[in-house]
Amino acid sequence: GENVEQHPSTLSVQEGDSAVIKCTYSDSASNYFPWYKQELGKGPQLIIDIRSNVGEKKDQRIAVTLNKTAKHFSLHITETQPEDSAVYFCAASMTPSGTYKYIFGTGTRLKVLA
Amino acid sequence: ETGVTQTPRHLVMGMTNKKSLKCEQHLGHNAMYWYKQSAKKPLELMFVYNFKEQTENNSVPSRFSPECPNSSHLFLHLHTLQPEDSALYLCASSPSRSSGAEETQYFGPGTRLLVL
Repeated sequence: GENVEQHPSTLSVQEGDSAVIKCTYSDSASNYFPWYKQELGKGPQLIIDIRSNVGEKKDQRIAVTLNKTAKHFSLHITETQPEDSAVYFCAASMTPSGTYKYIFGTGTRLKVLA
Repeated sequence: ETGVTQTPRHLVMGMTNKKSLKCEQHLGHNAMYWYKQSAKKPLELMFVYNFKEQTENNSVPSRFSPECPNSSHLFLHLHTLQPEDSALYLCASSPSRSSGAEETQYFGPGTRLLVL
């Protein structure tokens, strides 16, 4: 079945350094790739997304890249800050039956060390 | 806040109890979702409703019973649960695909469920 692999499962970086999280998806029909940040005690919050007709998207310190041929997409956080510490999830979207079905990765716990 | 609220935020129940989780979205969306989040596992899609009609049931045991009375409200009725059902239950909403709108799902804060 469809799946999304996410690596690494944990990531520790020094404040100010960059962090990169990578995902690989299996279904070539996927065409929308959101990234969510989940802080302790909260639900996932969308931080950035990318569609299959775009190779890269940037929003301030956050960027996402997509390689459709290789079925890879990555989250890049530059100049990390302690408040970036959280669990990050990638997802690949399919569109059966009129709604959007997400397949999620297993999450990456990011720790930014002050 | 994302505009999706869930109550209660925490719930402890015995295996013979019956309880319900509630989700409400204030975003004008037409699709609503229930997910189960367990430690070290991907978010698991349970149910999908589109314009109040259930469009997906991801092989969820019958001890979980969803209800969607209108596009703004979603319930998950629980009965005779097992300890392995303890998890964070997340509700999400999105515009319907047929509307041609963005497909982003917006999540609520979740209900932390403990089954004893």
